[in-house]
Amino acid sequence: LAKTTQPISMDSYEGQEVNITCSHNNIATNDYITWYQQFPSQGPRFIIQGYKTKVTNEVASLFIPADRKSSTLSLPRVSLSDTAVYYCLVGEDSGGYQKVTFGTGTKLQVIP
Amino acid sequence: GAVVSQHPSRVICKSGTSVKIECRSLDFQATTMFWYRQFPKQSLMLMATSNEGSKATYEQGVEKDKFLINHASLTLSTLTVTSAHPEDSSFYICSASIPGLAGANSYNEQFFGPGTRLTVL
Repeated sequence: LAKTTQPISMDSYEGQEVNITCSHNNIATNDYITWYQQFPSQGPRFIIQGYKTKVTNEVASLFIPADRKSSTLSLPRVSLSDTAVYYCLVGEDSGGYQKVTFGTGTKLQVIP
Repeated sequence: GAVVSQHPSRVICKSGTSVKIECRSLDFQATTMFWYRQFPKQSLMLMATSNEGSKATYEQGVEKDKFLINHASLTLSTLTVTSAHPEDSSFYICSASIPGLAGANSYNEQFFGPGTRLTVL
């Protein structure tokens, strides 16, 4: 399983754009990159997923360079409710489903 | 979106007892479910992969005789912590993916349950 490395924590003021970068140097050809958000005492929630280039949805953007050895989650104009732990995952193809390994995650603290 | 539930949400038990945690996919069928454990201020650790109608696949270091997993139907997987001890106190989370949901630019998204807080006294 490809290992991921993220900053342990980040602080940001409300209304700012937040970029969280994840390194995954050993990503395999068939691996996808997925980001999840987790609030305390809750299960993780899917944010966004990508394979290469740029993906955007209603809550975030995901930037993946051509070598795919890293990815950056971009959260536009964060609010206090975005305070959470964000996990970058790289999935392994295990017979039709994506087996994933959670890294340390990045604890984002949004400051008023 | 797909919903996964867990029951109970919180359980407190005495040391030596067994505890069963249920994981249900409410609006889809899940041939594969995953069980994770999360200690305070730590990341999720995959314990096992539960496959409907077959034996679960355990990760290295996870005792299969202590953490019994049963995936008897396409919507239900159970995790039983046998002879629980205080060191088993943790947050247990299950997830499921929808087979065939993956598209050209995605892979099977995992839908996570809300988690079960187990406290062993």
